[in-house]
Amino acid sequence: DTEVTQTPKHLVMGMTNKKSLKCEQHMGHRAMYWYKQKAKKPPELMFVYSYEKLSINESVPSRFSPECPNSSLLNLHLHALQPEDSALYLCASSRQVDSGGAYEQYFGPGTRLTVT
Amino acid sequence: QKEVEQNSGPLSVPEGAIASLNCTYSDRGSQSFFWYRQYSGKSPELIMFIYSNGDKEDGRFTAQLNKASQYVSLLIRDSQPSDSATYLCAVISYNQGGKLIFGQGTELSVKP
Repeated sequence: DTEVTQTPKHLVMGMTNKKSLKCEQHMGHRAMYWYKQKAKKPPELMFVYSYEKLSINESVPSRFSPECPNSSLLNLHLHALQPEDSALYLCASSRQVDSGGAYEQYFGPGTRLTVT
Repeated sequence: QKEVEQNSGPLSVPEGAIASLNCTYSDRGSQSFFWYRQYSGKSPELIMFIYSNGDKEDGRFTAQLNKASQYVSLLIRDSQPSDSATYLCAVISYNQGGKLIFGQGTELSVKP
C-alpha cells in the first residue's frame, strides 16, 4: 500500500482566514514533504520533515507554517495568504531522506487551494 | 543549465505506437531517477524508478538509464489514449541533500 491521504480536497479561504491542510500516511515512512504546484509547472518543494524534525525549509514565507505531530501526520497551517498562493498543495512521503539514498516519494491527491 | 531537462512537448503519438520520453540531468552524483505521470488536475503518480545503468521493464513501461551520458528515458509500448498525461522526470540531487528535482514535464498525447 502506497497511500498518502490529504484533507480537504478543496479549500477556499479569504486573505484574513486561518486554515490547516492535513496529510497522513501509514507506510512507516520517516520523511514527509510539502510541495506547491501551479498549473503547467512541476511541484515546487516547500518543506521536508525527517524523523519528525524540520530538515529543509525552502525559504517559504512565514504565512505557511508546517507541523509534524507524529511520524504519520503532517500539517500545513495557513494564515494571511495572498491570491498568488492559490495552487495545488501536495504532500508526499518516503522511507527516508538521504542524499545517497534511493527512496521513492509517493504523493497524496493534493488540496486545491483558492485564496480570494 | 537546468538541473533536470525534458522536452516540454506536446509529444503526439498514434495509438499502439511507442512513446519515447527523454530527460537529461546535470548532477553527476545523482543516483536515483524517477518517472511520474500526472493527469490534468491530479497529483503525480510514481510509475517507474531506476537506480542502475541499463534498462528496467515494468509492463508496457521501460526506463533506461545511462549515467555516463547523464540521460534517462521512458519508453511506453503499445501507447493507449489513457496514457495521455504529463510525464515528469525527477532526480534525487546529491548536491542538494537528497531533494527531488523535477524536470518541467513532457505532455504526451496519444491519438486514437
